Amino acid sequence: DADVTQTPRNRITKTGKRIMLECSQTKGHDRMYWYRQDPGLGLRLIYYSFDVKDINKGEISDGYSVSRQAQAKFSLSLESAIPNQTALYFCATSDFVGTQYFGPGTRLTVL
Amino acid sequence: AQKVTQAQTEISVVEKEDVTLDCVYETRDTTYYLFWYKQPPSGELVFLIRRNSFDEQNEISGRYSWNFQKSTSSFNFTITASQVVDSAVYFCALTTSYDKVIFGPGTSLSVIP
Repeated sequence: DADVTQTPRNRITKTGKRIMLECSQTKGHDRMYWYRQDPGLGLRLIYYSFDVKDINKGEISDGYSVSRQAQAKFSLSLESAIPNQTALYFCATSDFVGTQYFGPGTRLTVL
Repeated sequence: AQKVTQAQTEISVVEKEDVTLDCVYETRDTTYYLFWYKQPPSGELVFLIRRNSFDEQNEISGRYSWNFQKSTSSFNFTITASQVVDSAVYFCALTTSYDKVIFGPGTSLSVIP
């Protein structure tokens, strides 16, 4: 089984809808992250969490929120989706030195 | 401030050629970690290597090798005898202890048969 899982893998939604992307990890790491990838723009950090009680904004947190339900679970929400949030979203977990282990990604399309 | 630069946006090579992907980093910290990740066309992100700032030994793994030079703040990645399966986007990344990871913009490598 994969160490980091993301659900759903693909999602098509309409403008204004609330969307939740879920992430689970079995690596036992405290640190978890959400990234967004757009063509030609690399990886941009949305939110990160270094433990269950710690939530930090990344460089592009506007329009997103997160919830760290447990050490193993970190979900990302789009409260009111807009078309420019169409992207590939990655969840990751890391050890204390920062080695990132990524989930398979969620391809989100907002119409 | 920390920064990672990958000046090569796209590289194309013919199969069996050697290719070097450049990575230059900036940090004021003395303890830091450098990484390379591979993203093949299928989209997943795969960890390739991690180096800490106190270990400047070069690393070789099969056809892959990494050259870490603190004097030039570089952590370059060389693929020897490239193969079509090496076609991917490669990301260099940097972190200091207890901080988030900074990724470079990536280099897209195309290996032409």
